[in-house]
Amino acid sequence: EAGVTQFPSHSVIEKGQTVTLRCDPISGHDNLYWYRRVMGKEIKFLLHFVKESKQDESGMPNNRFLAERTGGTYSTLKVQPAELEDSGVYFCASSQGSEQYFGPGTRLTVT
Amino acid sequence: GQSLEQPSEVTAVEGAIVQINCTYQTSGFYGLSWYQQHDGGAPTFLSYNALDGLEETGRFSSFLSRSDSYGYLLLQELQMKDSASYFCAVRSPGGGFKTIFGAGTRLFVKA
Repeated sequence: EAGVTQFPSHSVIEKGQTVTLRCDPISGHDNLYWYRRVMGKEIKFLLHFVKESKQDESGMPNNRFLAERTGGTYSTLKVQPAELEDSGVYFCASSQGSEQYFGPGTRLTVT
Repeated sequence: GQSLEQPSEVTAVEGAIVQINCTYQTSGFYGLSWYQQHDGGAPTFLSYNALDGLEETGRFSSFLSRSDSYGYLLLQELQMKDSASYFCAVRSPGGGFKTIFGAGTRLFVKA
């Protein structure tokens, strides 16, 4: 069974540019989560999808972040325009129960 | 607010036993999870406690006391490969199954 995959693995962009991160969850998992970890700090919850619906987006920092999950399969997280403080590792996870399966993350660096 | 507290760093020797504590303060509570993350890798699920008591899985055990808002992860017969960051996480209601992570405990296992 394929795990959670994320693309790209790394992204380096300049302040003001746009970046779109993609997450492919484990097939059949209705729950999809986005998290962010800034160096040395906690893994911070961003939002939670159940199928294509946003169940909880209370962790989204501001309106520069837009997450979508059209069709309830893969999800994208767009940052527009990117700011320096957006740098970090963005993890996606999927689940059907209490255990969340994490992807390898996308390391975003905004310069 | 919602917060989880765990030690930032723990050092132990190979073969020893180490306990990583976690206290939480959240607006709701479904259960406490533990995840392991090696440098550059994805967090991987270790255990989940929804009820009070001890759950044992091989060398790792996890304990929960809901009345004390406290849990711990116990690692026995430490091996060098156990050197990693360990995160406690609370699954709480919030429109879905929002998961709040602690800042992580960095475990160093010495020979």
